Amino acid sequence: GESVGLHLPTLSVQEGDNSIINCAYSNSASDYFIWYKQESGKGPQFIIDIRSNMDKRQGQRVTVLLNKTVKHLSLQIAATQPGDSAVYFCAGGGKGGSYIPTFGRGTSLIVHP
Amino acid sequence: DSGVTQTPKHLITATGQRVTLRCSPRSGDLSVYWYQQSLDQGLQFLIQYYNGEERAKGNILERFSAQQFPDLHSELNLSSLELGDSALYFCASSGTGTMNTEAFFGQGTRLTVV
Repeated sequence: GESVGLHLPTLSVQEGDNSIINCAYSNSASDYFIWYKQESGKGPQFIIDIRSNMDKRQGQRVTVLLNKTVKHLSLQIAATQPGDSAVYFCAGGGKGGSYIPTFGRGTSLIVHP
Repeated sequence: DSGVTQTPKHLITATGQRVTLRCSPRSGDLSVYWYQQSLDQGLQFLIQYYNGEERAKGNILERFSAQQFPDLHSELNLSSLELGDSALYFCASSGTGTMNTEAFFGQGTRLTVV
């Protein structure tokens, strides 16, 4: 299966700044990568995904970048808000339609007002 | 609200005991996944069921088992419990399409083994 990991366990930012959360993966066979957000006391929540044949995808205030050359993806959050404070997980999955999200350890994003 | 319901929310039990965790997926979702989340291991995939059949196995111990019933709800059975089994157990469900990447997670069951 896919092995994914995050670079930093904790990221602290000021409200209004842009946040960048990084993730590395080891297996190039995944069909897609996904970012999840987990708030305290809740289950993970889907944020955005990116197919392996893409290098960028934008959502609302979020952008995911995929660099297949160095097996790296990142989640950029624009104008970070206190409500963005959570643990963020990247997950890889889906070779040939087999969908099993495989998660990294997570980065805790702390937004200071 | 993700539409995935897990019960109970909290469970405290003694070592050596057996417990059953229950999951009701989102209406219409055929796939159910079970994950274990502990502080030092992150989110570990345990097992997947699709329309009643086991589809994939991850890091699931032999003391653990699961099943998915005809009404698509799923149960995770944990037996001969050890202190190290204390963790959050999440259930997730997803739709039928192979290109459907979004999984919806329940709120989890917090298991404490004492």
